[in-house]
Amino acid sequence: EPEVTQTPSHQVTQMGQEVILRCVPISNHLYFYWYRQILGQKVEFLVSFYNNEISEKSEIFDDQFSVERPDGSNFTLKIRSTKLEDSAMYFCASIAETDTQYFGPGTRLTVL
Amino acid sequence: GESVGLHLPTLSVQEGDNSIINCAYSNSASDYFIWYKQESGKGPQFIIDIRSNMDKRQGQRVTVLLNKTVKHLSLQIAATQPGDSAVYFCAERSLGGARQLTFGSGTQLTVLP
Repeated sequence: EPEVTQTPSHQVTQMGQEVILRCVPISNHLYFYWYRQILGQKVEFLVSFYNNEISEKSEIFDDQFSVERPDGSNFTLKIRSTKLEDSAMYFCASIAETDTQYFGPGTRLTVL
Repeated sequence: GESVGLHLPTLSVQEGDNSIINCAYSNSASDYFIWYKQESGKGPQFIIDIRSNMDKRQGQRVTVLLNKTVKHLSLQIAATQPGDSAVYFCAERSLGGARQLTFGSGTQLTVLP
């Protein structure tokens, strides 16, 4: 069964450093998303991406964040200068034409 | 603001019993709802979904009920098994937009032997 994959599974970085989180969505999917989940809290929407551009973003997704689909398979989330409060699980999700969003296993980001 | 929330943060049931997990939503514009299961250290796993033009949908051992009058969603798990222990989230999607989901706070289901 096709699945969303994410790398790395765990990323540790120093405050102020740049990180890139990578996702490979399901191959025939059209809409791509990033969500985050701070430990013990609910999953929060960050950004959606369709037709090679951002279609919607939340208040969390400020100028420190960017997304890119550099080729036909990868979908990346970049945080330019990480802050302590960026520590969270980051989930990538994708959908085809149906409504079901399939989530990847997540990347645990730890900012020291 | 409008949000999706869960009534109970934890639920413990005996193995073999039925489980009912509840969710309240406040966005009347939501047209689609999903239940996800999340095990420790993993991503949300799709369980079942329902559109706003339905009031009940059944899957394998799971049933979702939607009551639009009181804006209530529930997930029923029949014959709960130890592997069902996880956090369960409801999520909603509003009409239009980029189909992003708004998640509730989650209910921790613990299945007792």
